[in-house]
Amino acid sequence: AQSVSQHNHHVILSEAASLELGCNYSYGGTVNLFWYVQYPGQHLQLLLKYFSGDPLVKGIKGFEAEFIKSKFSFNLRKPSVQWSDTAEYFCAVGGGYQKVTFGTGTKLQVIP
Amino acid sequence: EPEVTQTPSHQVTQMGQEVILRCVPISNHLYFYWYRQILGQKVEFLVSFYNNEISEKSEIFDDQFSVERPDGSNFTLKIRSTKLEDSAMYFCASSESAQGLGYGYTFGSGTRLTVV
Repeated sequence: AQSVSQHNHHVILSEAASLELGCNYSYGGTVNLFWYVQYPGQHLQLLLKYFSGDPLVKGIKGFEAEFIKSKFSFNLRKPSVQWSDTAEYFCAVGGGYQKVTFGTGTKLQVIP
Repeated sequence: EPEVTQTPSHQVTQMGQEVILRCVPISNHLYFYWYRQILGQKVEFLVSFYNNEISEKSEIFDDQFSVERPDGSNFTLKIRSTKLEDSAMYFCASSESAQGLGYGYTFGSGTRLTVV
């Protein structure tokens, strides 16, 4: 069975601070990894995804994530956050066409 | 960019009533899914659908729930007799066939179901 752990439930940062949100997964097969963002009152949006190839994945809005197979991790990073990055961030794992399993989410609050 | 479209965006229904949530997946996608997110909780998988049948379902997806692809474009989720605890945001998603291409997994904007 696949599972995802997000270690930080609530993160508060000042604008321009660097961000790293942790994500660890377990999955027995070829893994597909995702980060989704949900802005207040809005739907889930895909930030970035990893299927294969370069383990450093760049997504929208300056976000990136690194797949480290040996650590079963897919941490999300952004060098300098903005107030508009305030949202909830979900790490997710899926295999092929199968269901995607979401982590519990990390609420990011960026203080101007 | 192609989108998954969900209607209505918000539905209010009385406990015990039947509701149908509608989704139009991306046209060349073959795999369809429903997820839900109860307020303040994580996104939970409900069901996946391929080749006109359910391929996987969670324990949440009991006999009160059913899915259908009635006309080759719509993908619906029916809740036969709604309960208060069915109040949630319901997300439809679709994914493309790999066939050597990258996987695509796109979510709709959600239907907020409120059971009163």
